[in-house]
Amino acid sequence: GESVGLHLPTLSVQEGDNSIINCAYSNSASDYFIWYKQESGKGPQFIIDIRSNMDKRQGQRVTVLLNKTVKHLSLQIAATQPGDSAVYFCAETEAGTASKLTFGTGTRLQVTL
Amino acid sequence: GAVVSQHPSWVICKSGTSVKIECRSLDFQATTMFWYRQFPKQSLMLMATSNEGSKATYEQGVEKDKFLINHASLTLSTLTVTSAHPEDSSFYICSAGAGSGNQPQHFGDGTRLSIL
Repeated sequence: GESVGLHLPTLSVQEGDNSIINCAYSNSASDYFIWYKQESGKGPQFIIDIRSNMDKRQGQRVTVLLNKTVKHLSLQIAATQPGDSAVYFCAETEAGTASKLTFGTGTRLQVTL
Repeated sequence: GAVVSQHPSWVICKSGTSVKIECRSLDFQATTMFWYRQFPKQSLMLMATSNEGSKATYEQGVEKDKFLINHASLTLSTLTVTSAHPEDSSFYICSAGAGSGNQPQHFGDGTRLSIL
C-alpha cells in the first residue's frame, strides 16, 4: 500500500518479551513478501522473506506469517532485545515486476529495559 | 551477503545546484537497481527503476528530466538531481537485487540531501 500520514505507529515492548508487528497489503497479485528493518539514518536491512505458497517461515528469532485470505503479514520477534529497536517495513512484489517493491507504512519498535 | 554502497552519505548544497548520487553493488552484478525517496517518518516511495544499458523506468509523478538516472555498468547506477531546490531535500536510497524475479533487494545506506 502507499505511505500516508506523518506519524509512524509505535509498538513499545519490554526487553525479553515477544514482539508482533503487523502489515496489511492490498494487492492480491503480490506473491513475494519481505520484512526490512531500518535504523535511523540508514537504509533498510533485509530480515526475512516469504513466498505466497507458504504461510509461515522461521529465521533466527524471527518468524513471518502470511495470511493471503485477509492479505495480512506479520513479523514475530522472539525475546526482543534493545538492538531490535528500529522501524520495520513490510514490502511486497508481484511476479514479473523484476522485484519492484511496494512498501508498507512502517512500524516503530521501541524496546524498553 | 550482498552489499550495496551509496555515495555520498550526506550532501548540503545551494539551490540550483545539480547533485549526483552513486549506487554500487560491491559483490554482485545488478542488471536492475531501484531508487527510492523517503521523507521523515514516512515509508519509502519508489522513484524509478534503473536498467543497465537502457532507459530508466520512472514512477508516475516523478520527473525524468529532474531526476536523471544512468546505469552504465552492472555495478553502478547514478541518480542526478538537476537544479535542486529545497523541496528536493530528502533521503534518497538505492537498492539492487542479485537476480531477477523473487530475490530480496539489498539497500544502500542512503544519501541525505539538504538544499539550502
